[in-house]
Amino acid sequence: GAVVSQHPSRVICKSGTSVKIECRSLDFQATTMFWYRQFPKKSLMLMATSNEGSKATYEQGVEKDKFLINHASLTLSTLTVTSAHPEDSSFYICSARDSETQYFGPGTRLLVL
Amino acid sequence: GESVGLHLPTLSVQEGDNSIINCAYSNSASDYFIWYKQESGKGPQFIIDIRSNMDKRQGQRVTVLLNKTVKHLSLQIAATQPGDSAVYFCAERTGGFKTIFGAGTRLFVKA
Repeated sequence: GAVVSQHPSRVICKSGTSVKIECRSLDFQATTMFWYRQFPKKSLMLMATSNEGSKATYEQGVEKDKFLINHASLTLSTLTVTSAHPEDSSFYICSARDSETQYFGPGTRLLVL
Repeated sequence: GESVGLHLPTLSVQEGDNSIINCAYSNSASDYFIWYKQESGKGPQFIIDIRSNMDKRQGQRVTVLLNKTVKHLSLQIAATQPGDSAVYFCAERTGGFKTIFGAGTRLFVKA
């Protein structure tokens, strides 16, 4: 079946630095990718929807200048957490869709010290 | 706004028993519903789905029931096994592929 990968799987960074997370669709072209955020013992919250070659659409309350999303190709989307703070520590999960199905990545654990 | 919620945050069952996980949704325009399983530190795993023109769908050991009248969704797991222990999320879509997740239920299976 279709696979979505994320890199890195976990990252620790200092407060004030920026962190980039990659999401790749491995055997299909993803016209749309989604980024979710999940706090411990909580549900997945949709952050943004990105379409290849266009600007991402952010959900209400998500700062677009804080969470930069780039979807430059049909197989790669990146999420950059800029000037990270401890409250940005979370589990970030991407999802990619082909024409019929949505597939989820394994997630990236971000810890900001 | 859209919201999908669950009645029970945790569920503990004996191995071999059947499990029922419930979910309430509020958007009557949702036309597609999905159940996901999430193990610790991993992404959601698709279990089963159902479209709004159906009220029941069966898979291997799992059954999803949809009651549009009361906006209720349930996941039934037959002969629950220790490997079924995880957090289960219901999710809904309205039109496109924007998937909204419910709060989640943690299932504990006692051996």
